[in-house]
Amino acid sequence: SQTIHQWPATLVQPVGSPLSLECTVEGTSNPNLYWYRQAAGRGLQLLFYSVGIGQISSEVPQNLSASRPQDRQFILSSKKLLLSDSGFYLCAWDRGLNTEAFFGQGTRLTVV
Amino acid sequence: LAKTTQPISMDSYEGQEVNITCSHNNIATNDYITWYQQFPSQGPRFIIQGYKTKVTNEVASLFIPADRKSSTLSLPRVSLSDTAVYYCLVGVIASGGGADGLTFGKGTHLIIQP
Repeated sequence: SQTIHQWPATLVQPVGSPLSLECTVEGTSNPNLYWYRQAAGRGLQLLFYSVGIGQISSEVPQNLSASRPQDRQFILSSKKLLLSDSGFYLCAWDRGLNTEAFFGQGTRLTVV
Repeated sequence: LAKTTQPISMDSYEGQEVNITCSHNNIATNDYITWYQQFPSQGPRFIIQGYKTKVTNEVASLFIPADRKSSTLSLPRVSLSDTAVYYCLVGVIASGGGADGLTFGKGTHLIIQP
């Protein structure tokens, strides 16, 4: 069966510090991968998606970046965090073509 | 990308049937309609997907009229644990194309009371 792992579950970082969130998928190959952010009481904002290794599309310009160094690994990064980067970050995968999407457990990031 | 419109919130009581309607007036021919459920501090979970008419699974039913410009998620006999945010998504997730189908709106916050 397929599983998605996302870590860490919670993170408190000072303003200006770097960020690296990792997401890995097991049990499938060539998944579409997504990063979302959800601010408190808000909807899900799509940040990045990837349809293959090294292929990253950005939905919203910001100080975040994403990379896909391996088929089932998706990394969200920042060189310098802002207060506004606080939120609940979710990684997701699917097989495309109207298939069900599966989400990780999320990372609660608080920038202080 | 078809935009969706849902009520921001709904209230109901345990044991009642709840219907949440989503409008998607500019749905494209190839678009499917998908509903997700999200509990606080968790990722969304797939509920049901359909293209036309009616789809039913162990959790819910999805009603889609002939013009496909709207859809209704029906939850039978809700319980307190059905309190969550429900998202309606419309689009095609094309391999190598893009992520249009996974663009979430604000969803409907359903509150079930005893």
